[in-house]
Amino acid sequence: AQTVTQSQPEMSVQEAETVTLSCTYDTSENNYYLFWYKQPPSRQMILVIRQEAYKQQNATENRFSVNFQKAAKSFSLKISDSQLGDTAMYFCAFQNNAGNMLTFGGGTRLMVKP
Amino acid sequence: NAGVTQTPKFRILKIGQSMTLQCTQDMNHNYMYWYRQDPGMGLKLIYYSVGAGITDKGEVPNGYNVSRSTTEDFPLRLELAAPSQTSVYFCASIQRSLGTEAFFGQGTRLTVV
Repeated sequence: AQTVTQSQPEMSVQEAETVTLSCTYDTSENNYYLFWYKQPPSRQMILVIRQEAYKQQNATENRFSVNFQKAAKSFSLKISDSQLGDTAMYFCAFQNNAGNMLTFGGGTRLMVKP
Repeated sequence: NAGVTQTPKFRILKIGQSMTLQCTQDMNHNYMYWYRQDPGMGLKLIYYSVGAGITDKGEVPNGYNVSRSTTEDFPLRLELAAPSQTSVYFCASIQRSLGTEAFFGQGTRLTVV
């Protein structure tokens, strides 16, 4: 079974600065997908960014980018130019090669301070 | 498009009572999931289904049951509710394709007293 670990329960960042959230995972599979989801206080789950394990190039979506280190099984999220609306819980998630299992980490609560 | 719809949004149960959390999706997704999220914690998988008539246990299935008679519906049944089942429950669905986005319902906040 896959496991996903987020070692930072809480983080804070000043508005306009950059913050990096960590995620490590454990799997014996060679191909899979990794995701970052955002959960604001509304409880809605919002996809932030995704990365296929076969792709060496790190995914980027506007202010959000990842650092994917396959050998180290590490998948960190960098948020640039942090905004107050980025305040939320962030979850790292792993989808197996069969596509039927989606495993989440414990989450990191991010607070963006004005 | 309604996406994933969960009902109810809130519920208070007494210890020993039973209830069914409803989940419906209108996107013709094959894969559906039930997660629970304890306060300040991550999502733990309770049960999942890869298609009508097929269900399987996740990480924390004890005290719950599911069924999948149609592609659209995936209800979660709590029998003999216990305080340890106080949590927020999320239903999610995914298209049967690697790397596609998971769609979540708005969650059900359940309190067992």
